[in-house]
Amino acid sequence: QKEVEQNSGPLSVPEGAIASLNCTYSDRGSQSFFWYRQYSGKSPELIMSIYSNGDKEDGRFTAQLNKASQYVSLLIRDSQPSDSATYLCAGATGRRALTFGSGTRLQVQP
Amino acid sequence: DGGITQSPKYLFRKEGQNVTLSCEQNLNHDAMYWYRQDPGQGLRLIYYSQIVNDFQKGDIAEGYSVSREKKESFPLTVTSAQKNPTAFYLCASSPPPGTRSPLHFGNGTRLTVT
Repeated sequence: QKEVEQNSGPLSVPEGAIASLNCTYSDRGSQSFFWYRQYSGKSPELIMSIYSNGDKEDGRFTAQLNKASQYVSLLIRDSQPSDSATYLCAGATGRRALTFGSGTRLQVQP
Repeated sequence: DGGITQSPKYLFRKEGQNVTLSCEQNLNHDAMYWYRQDPGQGLRLIYYSQIVNDFQKGDIAEGYSVSREKKESFPLTVTSAQKNPTAFYLCASSPPPGTRSPLHFGNGTRLTVT
């Protein structure tokens, strides 16, 4: 079992819709989680971090963490074509380096 | 501006040759990391270093070597022992490792070995 798992997608949503990206993790000791966006051929860029159970909002982005269910999600409201990218979920899983999921490819259709 | 510089951006080598990828940061971060990414895949940890003159193996360290002689620099050598070296290599850094330390990435080096 991978430590951090994501559905590879692609997830296709129409412009203006809400995109929902999900991630599960296996290490109950994980404390912090991060969402990175990666455009094709580029390096990942941090878009959200979350440390506590509940929701955290930043502009059009909302991260959700449920430690009991070992589940992390990212909601993107009012999706734009420029949001089309691969979204990587990462967790601090006890070892002192982040563990990444394989990423979910998001396609926003104009 | 502070950041992480990886060079070169593209690198081509013949099979059997060792090659060294450069990574320099001026963010004054203690920790540095090397990840490998294959097409359609996530990032896999090769090596990481939390302090100068110390480093630890990640999940896929075989065929790679690193050094950390200076805080700012963490070069990665891909040796001829690495069976499938063609990949996108990402260097990252962070403040002292803790559960709330996101990684900052360089722009990556795309290595092609033929």
